Amino acid sequence: EVQLLESGGGLVQPGGSLRLSCAASGFTFSSYVMTWVRQAPGKGLEWVSGISGSSRSTYYADSVKGRFTISRDNPKNTLYLQMNSLRAEDTAVYYCAKKVPKGGHYNVFDIWGQGTMVTVSS
Amino acid sequence: DIQMTQSPSSLSASVGDRVTITCRASQNISSYLNWYQQKPGKAPKLLIYAASSLQSGAPSRFSGSGSGTDFTLTISSLQPEDFATYYCQQSYTTLETFGPGTKVDIK
Repeated sequence: EVQLLESGGGLVQPGGSLRLSCAASGFTFSSYVMTWVRQAPGKGLEWVSGISGSSRSTYYADSVKGRFTISRDNPKNTLYLQMNSLRAEDTAVYYCAKKVPKGGHYNVFDIWGQGTMVTVSS
Repeated sequence: DIQMTQSPSSLSASVGDRVTITCRASQNISSYLNWYQQKPGKAPKLLIYAASSLQSGAPSRFSGSGSGTDFTLTISSLQPEDFATYYCQQSYTTLETFGPGTKVDIK
């Protein structure tokens, strides 16, 4: 079964750091772009970051650029999001998602994890 | 960055109703438009990709149309399990922005 399982969320003070993990199973992890999407309480979805299968390319939303770092460990089938200098507005459920090109070039997020909650508060 | 807008932000409908949600991109995105459904406490689920292609396993009462900057998601006959929030997403650029969502609830 194709599955993504996030972990590492929790309560952190403003200015603090947290590292999220996303364990993948049921597919060839290294073949796919992986992404992080977040959702603040009661709000919509916000794309956060993406990383190519080889880790050669990484992408960030302006809201997290310079503070968050995406990485992956292909032998361990695990995706990471290192979050530094956290702010109250980073409070959200963080989802990892697998990106796949439908029809060769229409990218979609076809598999999502269940999400992990990050709360930034003093 | 490409900005996505949706209308309405919420709607109330009855089982059996035909429901239409619109999505607009701030620039031409051709057919690089996806639709997701999200129920409370759950991860989003892909419904439509490439503006009008039905994802495997999604019910045929869902359909999508449009190209360029204007898109629609239609539910031909609303079912109880369709009460949820719907998001459009552009995949024209690497920064794949989402619309703000449309919540569909029971009238």
